[in-house]
Amino acid sequence: NAGVTQTPKFRILKIGQSMTLQCAQDMNHNYMYWYRQDPGMGLKLIYYSVGAGITDKGEVPNGYNVSRSTTEDFPLRLELAAPSQTSVYFCASSWSPLNTEAFFGQGTRLTVV
Amino acid sequence: GQNIDQPTEMTATEGAIVQINCTYQTSGFNGLFWYQQHAGEAPTFLSYNVLDGLEEKGRFSSFLSRSKGYSYLLLKELQMKDSASYLCASPGGSYIPTFGRGTSLIVHP
Repeated sequence: NAGVTQTPKFRILKIGQSMTLQCAQDMNHNYMYWYRQDPGMGLKLIYYSVGAGITDKGEVPNGYNVSRSTTEDFPLRLELAAPSQTSVYFCASSWSPLNTEAFFGQGTRLTVV
Repeated sequence: GQNIDQPTEMTATEGAIVQINCTYQTSGFNGLFWYQQHAGEAPTFLSYNVLDGLEEKGRFSSFLSRSKGYSYLLLKELQMKDSASYLCASPGGSYIPTFGRGTSLIVHP
């Protein structure tokens, strides 16, 4: 039972480069989320999706894009990477945002230099 | 989103009891989650409270007072492996959970 799978685990980007963080879940969850976590801080919501074809902005969406073409996959795209995007990124999924637990991927540690 | 507030760091002794507090804004309340996060790892679910009172799960219990906008996580018989960050979260706008900064708990012998 894989749960939520994120790739890559680590990545170093140069300023201005682009990349896609992959996220896949095998639990048939409707809700999927992307969070970033900076040192000593909680999780900040970047984007979320309530089902295939539907995405919406979270608290800190600038510099990111997402798509949800299938229930399973929710990739996060970084265009023109900036040092401020150095962070740990977590993908998560759940049946519902209310009263059900969210399952998290193992995270992607991204450094922009 | 929700305004979540919790202490930054706490220390406790192995075998002791520790209480980690969390306050949130009461308008539009839709329940409160607690997650545990070990250093370098993903958060894992501990509890969800939507009604007032204490819910116990083994060594961990979670309490909620909706009128006071207050919750706490109670950890009994502390073990070294309980050293972790404990995240309080509550659904805000669009019902998506907003997380607090987390409380780093250090358990020492």
